[in-house]
Amino acid sequence: EVQLVESGGGLVKPGGSLRLSCAASGFTFSSYSMNWVRQAPGKGLEWVSSISSSSSYIYYADSVKGRFTISRDNAKNSLYLQMNSLRAEDTAVYYCARDGPGYGDGFDYWGQGTLVTVSS
Amino acid sequence: DIQLTQSPSFLSASVGDRVTITCRASQGISSYLAWYQQKPGKAPKLLIYAASTLQSGVPSRFSGSGSGTEFTLTISSLQPEDFATYYCQQLNSYPPTFGQGTKVEIK
Repeated sequence: EVQLVESGGGLVKPGGSLRLSCAASGFTFSSYSMNWVRQAPGKGLEWVSSISSSSSYIYYADSVKGRFTISRDNAKNSLYLQMNSLRAEDTAVYYCARDGPGYGDGFDYWGQGTLVTVSS
Repeated sequence: DIQLTQSPSFLSASVGDRVTITCRASQGISSYLAWYQQKPGKAPKLLIYAASTLQSGVPSRFSGSGSGTEFTLTISSLQPEDFATYYCQQLNSYPPTFGQGTKVEIK
């Protein structure tokens, strides 16, 4: 069974940093691109970042470029999001999501999410 | 960036109704469109990808169609468990944007 479990969320002050983790199991993690998607309270879904299976290709939303860094450790079946210079508008539930097996197949598995609150 | 506009944003329907949600892209995206269902407090769930391919395990009352710039998600007979918010997402190019969502509520 595919499982994605996020951790690392919490309350942080504006300007602070946080590192999110996503532990994957039940599939060959090193074969799939992975993503972070966030959802501000009461709002819609916003794609944050993607990383290819071997970390060769990395993409960011303009809203987080230069502040967030996505990475992965295929030996540990883990995905990460380092978030620096956090702002109030980064407050959201952050989901990790797996890319489907084919190009453009959507995000076929999602974690339960971890809440990040940026507030003084 | 490619913008996706869903209509309606809110829909009130009864159990057994046929429901259609539209997603329009600001430029052509071929068939690189996915649909998700999200219930309160839960992660989104992939329903349809490649515009019309049903994800494994998703009931056949859900269907998708379209290509280019106009797409539809249809629920042929609304069930109590289908009351949720639905999102489209384009995967033609980065960033893989989402529509603003359509909330389906009980009439």
